[in-house]
Amino acid sequence: GAVVSQHPSRVICKSGTSVKIECRSLDFQATTMFWYRQFPKQSLMLMATSNEGSKATYEQGVEKDKFLINHASLTLSTLTVTSAHPEDSSFYICSARIGRGGLNSPLHFGNGTRLTVT
Amino acid sequence: QQQVKQSPQSLIVQKGGISIINCAYENTAFDYFPWYQQFPGKGPALLIAIRPDVSEKKEGRFTISFNKSAKQFSLHIMDSQPGDSATYFCAASLDTASKLTFGTGTRLQVTL
Repeated sequence: GAVVSQHPSRVICKSGTSVKIECRSLDFQATTMFWYRQFPKQSLMLMATSNEGSKATYEQGVEKDKFLINHASLTLSTLTVTSAHPEDSSFYICSARIGRGGLNSPLHFGNGTRLTVT
Repeated sequence: QQQVKQSPQSLIVQKGGISIINCAYENTAFDYFPWYQQFPGKGPALLIAIRPDVSEKKEGRFTISFNKSAKQFSLHIMDSQPGDSATYFCAASLDTASKLTFGTGTRLQVTL
């Protein structure tokens, strides 16, 4: 069964509004979660690393004021797309790792959130 | 140096055939190489992973071959089935706890 739950699976919003996406680790604590963005038929691009209790680490070129990440607990990280515009329309996917590394603690992905900004 | 190059972009294989997807990397510090399978509208799911201390790893119909000197690794899917039709991504990271860098993906179609 799924170990990482992402909500909502789909969201449509109007340009200028903000959208919050939740990522929950099920039955395990995740001190680190990763947020990816995927355009149609393209690869996954890492946006940021979310660390519980501290500020997220953003990849080069990702606007931290636009993509707000909060990791307030060991089982929940949220990504808020602020003042969304049509170019923000994409598939957003979170991931979390059970344990602290090793071949037996792989990265698990949520089922993604399809954001459409009209 | 952080790139992972993947080929082919798309692949059509007959049922029962062998699907082969190749990846190459530049950063010799990469130490963990997983393969993910993604169906449309879903997140990626881990298939199999390898570290550079072994040259091959097999799990069921899936095998990773790893060539450290050439900085290349590949996924072989034996006895390919229509249900294997999906997009496959290779990835690499500095260690098993670090962020992953993904390849560009291969769309596999297995025909009857």
